[in-house]
Amino acid sequence: EAQVTQNPRYLITVTGKKLTVTCSQNMNHEYMSWYRQDPGLGLRQIYYSMNVEVTDKGDVPEGYKVSRKEKRNFPLILESPSPNQTSLYFCASSLNRGLGYTFGSGTRLTVV
Amino acid sequence: AQKVTQAQTEISVVEKEDVTLDCVYETRDTTYYLFWYKQPPSGELVFLIRRNSFDEQNEISGRYSWNFQKSTSSFNFTITASQVVDSAVYFCALTSSNDYKLSFGAGTTVTVRA
Repeated sequence: EAQVTQNPRYLITVTGKKLTVTCSQNMNHEYMSWYRQDPGLGLRQIYYSMNVEVTDKGDVPEGYKVSRKEKRNFPLILESPSPNQTSLYFCASSLNRGLGYTFGSGTRLTVV
Repeated sequence: AQKVTQAQTEISVVEKEDVTLDCVYETRDTTYYLFWYKQPPSGELVFLIRRNSFDEQNEISGRYSWNFQKSTSSFNFTITASQVVDSAVYFCALTSSNDYKLSFGAGTTVTVRA
């Protein structure tokens, strides 16, 4: 089944403790992206990647890092999480923007 | 820069009423793509429809219909004879030939009461 898999689905952590949210797709898509969703703001892009070793900042990259060492994986790294990073995170991938985007199931992160 | 505006924050209707969700977009590109997604209480994003800028034909899928009007930069979504299962947050989104980023509106929360 073609899909984007995010892990974990839920995570509660403490301020400053480094964490990684994994994202993997099995569709051989070149484009991958991370979004965060906050009430009243819709989804905002954090980082994106056009291909292996090619990444760039989105609209809200502060406090996040990404890497794209393999085509299928695009992990989101929070080196020192803060409470304002409490949010719902989505990973997405796309082969062709005209065909649309496939989203993961989301990761609900709480930083206390 | 691309922008999507969903002016309606929340809509509440009684079952079987029709509900229309407004979406207004801004882009300088002539080739672009519009999407609607549904986010039920479980949280996942469910794809509903996509439209490219060269196809202004309206579409109907069951109780759902979409009205795309380039002249007013709008891509509105109507649920006919709403049901409780339609209760969700609905997002309109836009991308273009010059930008892979999917720009989302703030979303409209639809509550259908039995």
